[in-house]
Amino acid sequence: DAGVTQSPTHLIKTRGQQVTLRCSPKSGHDTVSWYQQALGQGPQFIFQYYEEEERQRGNFPDRFSGHQFPNYSSELNVNALLLGDSALYLCASTPWASGGRYQETQYFGPGTRLLVL
Amino acid sequence: AQTVTQSQPEMSVQEAETVTLSCTYDTSENNYYLFWYKQPPSRQMILVIRQEAYKQQNATENRFSVNFQKAAKSFSLKISDSQLGDTAMYFCAFMKHGAPGKLIFGQGTTLQVKP
Repeated sequence: DAGVTQSPTHLIKTRGQQVTLRCSPKSGHDTVSWYQQALGQGPQFIFQYYEEEERQRGNFPDRFSGHQFPNYSSELNVNALLLGDSALYLCASTPWASGGRYQETQYFGPGTRLLVL
Repeated sequence: AQTVTQSQPEMSVQEAETVTLSCTYDTSENNYYLFWYKQPPSRQMILVIRQEAYKQQNATENRFSVNFQKAAKSFSLKISDSQLGDTAMYFCAFMKHGAPGKLIFGQGTTLQVKP
């Protein structure tokens, strides 16, 4: 059973550029959440996708956008990169609902390390 | 808004001993979930244990157990018989019921298990 996968593992960009990160959820999961983890800090929730729509959003600017595809995989796009966007970007998946109640456990991928120079 | 606080940035423990990591949280919600996640240097976030707020019984998973004090908004993690593989950063996290997937994390505690 494949877990959550993310690509690429590492990425270097320069200020002002745009970046796209990709995530494939765990088999059987249809909901994808994205988190930003600065070095030495806890992850911060960016947004969540279910049924190809953004369902919840954290306190991140519009430069951060996403997409979910019919196969439940997801992309995170960041425009006009800033030095402060350097971080580990984590993707997590979960089933939206099972047996009539929300599934509360997130399964995380290994992350994409983004460095903005 | 909910907040999660881990007041111990770093801790160490000798192999085979017991260690407790602290976590407090602030919320006005009555139904929620609490989690402890482990992030080794390989950086894959792994679920250690979870607790539903409506359950009074403390969760236990093998060598890991929690002390959940709802009134005090405290959620500590006890690791018994510590092993070298327990070396990692540990995060306490909160999730409101009805908001699946939106985890609020603490700052983390780096645990070093010494041989």
